Amino acid sequence: QKEVEQDPGPLSVPEGAIVSLNCTYSNSAFQYFMWYRQYSRKGPELLMYTYSSGNKEDGRFTAQVDKSSKYISLFIRDSQPSDSATYLCAMSARNQGGKLIFGQGTELSVKP
Amino acid sequence: DSGVTQTPKHLITATGQRVTLRCSPRSGDLSVYWYQQSLDQGLQFLIQYYNGEERAKGNILERFSAQQFPDLHSELNLSSLELGDSALYFCASSVAAGRGGSGANVLTFGAGSRLTVL
Repeated sequence: QKEVEQDPGPLSVPEGAIVSLNCTYSNSAFQYFMWYRQYSRKGPELLMYTYSSGNKEDGRFTAQVDKSSKYISLFIRDSQPSDSATYLCAMSARNQGGKLIFGQGTELSVKP
Repeated sequence: DSGVTQTPKHLITATGQRVTLRCSPRSGDLSVYWYQQSLDQGLQFLIQYYNGEERAKGNILERFSAQQFPDLHSELNLSSLELGDSALYFCASSVAAGRGGSGANVLTFGAGSRLTVL
């Protein structure tokens, strides 16, 4: 079993839709949770960063962490065609040098 | 431009050969991480160096090795290449605290080196 599970999709939505992306994990030591966005043929770039449980909002993006369920989510409101990319969740634990463990990535396509 | 520079961008080689991938971290970052991304495995952590020393090791094959030089650039050496080694190889850097550091660490990725083994 992988430490981090993420549905690879692909996920296709119409422009303006609310998108929900999710990851589950098994390692209870994870305390730092991130979402990276990767456009085709590019390197991943950090989108959101959350520590422990709770919500964090940044513009159209909201990240949620539920440590009791070992479940994290990324919501995208008013999705745009420019949001079409692969979204990767990533996690790390304290005192492990900061290496990130990634999910498989979910490929999102927002149709105009 | 993320500030992390990787060369070459593309590389095509034959089975059994050896290649070297190069990474220059963002200015001020002391840690370098190498990841392999393939279609079926996603982003897999290979190895991390902090200020010239190996800090953490992932599922890196014995045929692969890496090092970080005094100027903080890093090289990933892949030898006895097999078809299955074809993948995107990413380097990332961070201002990691090293041993005993917290996990609060944001990685900045380069654009990757695409390796094709024929």
